[in-house]
Amino acid sequence: KAGVTQTPRYLIKTRGQQVTLSCSPISGHRSVSWYQQTPGQGLQFLFEYFSETQRNKGNFPGRFSGRQFSNSRSEMNVSTLELGDSALYLCASSLWGQGTEAFFGQGTRLTVV
Amino acid sequence: GNSVTQMEGPVTLSEEAFLTINCTYTATGYPSLFWYVQYPGEGLQLLLKATKADDKGSNKGFEATYRKETTSFHLEKGSVQVSDSAVYFCALSGMDSNYQLIWGAGTKLIIKP
Repeated sequence: KAGVTQTPRYLIKTRGQQVTLSCSPISGHRSVSWYQQTPGQGLQFLFEYFSETQRNKGNFPGRFSGRQFSNSRSEMNVSTLELGDSALYLCASSLWGQGTEAFFGQGTRLTVV
Repeated sequence: GNSVTQMEGPVTLSEEAFLTINCTYTATGYPSLFWYVQYPGEGLQLLLKATKADDKGSNKGFEATYRKETTSFHLEKGSVQVSDSAVYFCALSGMDSNYQLIWGAGTKLIIKP
């Protein structure tokens, strides 16, 4: 079966702009989680969506938001980009939630200049 | 709250050496424990897991045993290969954290031929 697909793979944006990242989970998976990965901070949890509802949220400012559609596809949005938002953004899908096996996409590499 | 502590890297070994990556955790009750691996340029993938005390997870020659008495889940492999070079993450999921995955900082493993 197809894996988790994240688009785009690479993005370069300017400070102050906004960006939308997309994640298509494995068919049948209802949980989608988003993570930010940086060399300094490691893997940090952003939020989890399950059946279109946000179920868990990490400690990120309100500039980071997300949503999930009825087909389980998810998007995350970052507004008013800052240089510190440069990171690899990873999406993970699972059947019921993070406590079950999570399948990760390859990530979107965001560079803010 | 829940937390995971991993040994700092990078860990550099020669091919065919024995590998141990230490992981200890803090949690109440009986969380599920996981090891994920991230190969260069890719997302994370589940390597092995254990869901109750004394369980041993194993995959691709890697093993880890859930030790409740020492709150540990150390990753071991008897003979490493160059292809094992990657970053390894220990994680837990439990009721305390609403089953959100709690991650260690990751340990980079470098295997030299």
